[in-house]
Amino acid sequence: RKEVEQDPGPFNVPEGATVAFNCTYSNSASQSFFWYRQDCRKEPKLLMSVYSSGNEDGRFTAQLNRASQYISLLIRDSKLSDSATYLCVVNMGAAGNKLTFGGGTRVLVKP
Amino acid sequence: DTAVSQTPKYLVTQMGNDKSIKCEQNLGHDTMYWYKQDSKKFLKIMFSYNNKELIINETVPNRFSPKSPDKAHLNLHINSLELGDSAVYFCASSYRQGASTQYFGPGTRLTVL
Repeated sequence: RKEVEQDPGPFNVPEGATVAFNCTYSNSASQSFFWYRQDCRKEPKLLMSVYSSGNEDGRFTAQLNRASQYISLLIRDSKLSDSATYLCVVNMGAAGNKLTFGGGTRVLVKP
Repeated sequence: DTAVSQTPKYLVTQMGNDKSIKCEQNLGHDTMYWYKQDSKKFLKIMFSYNNKELIINETVPNRFSPKSPDKAHLNLHINSLELGDSAVYFCASSYRQGASTQYFGPGTRLTVL
């Protein structure tokens, strides 16, 4: 089992619609969680951290379910510019506090 | 102003050659990283340096050798390049070790022929 797993997609989303997807992680001792965004042929950039109580940043909502070991990202009122690959990232608390990246979920927002 | 820069952006070379990729950050961060993103898009950490000290050294062939002359620079030297080394290599930095936000460079697309 991969340490961080994501549905690769693509999720084809009509403009204005809502899309949500999850990411599962294997290590129950994982300490912190993030969503990064990567545009085609570009570098990853932090989208948002994921807090235990869930958090929202504009049209983006992130949730953490420690019992089931997954995090989710929901995008409301999708814009064409939301088309990207969304990377689930987990700090498993290993030596060096390294971040482990999932393979990404590709989202395509269409007019 | 570029926060994390890498050179070169593209690198095409023959098998068996030795090549280097340079990375510089002007953010004043203590920690720098090298990641490899393969054709399946998985981003895997290779090395991490904190204040010029090697902190993370994943299972990477000895042909890969990082060097940090100062905390603003982390270079990657690769000896005897192989076909499987073809990938995009990203440099990143963070304020401190374990900080949540890592700032990535634009990547170096390495193609080994």
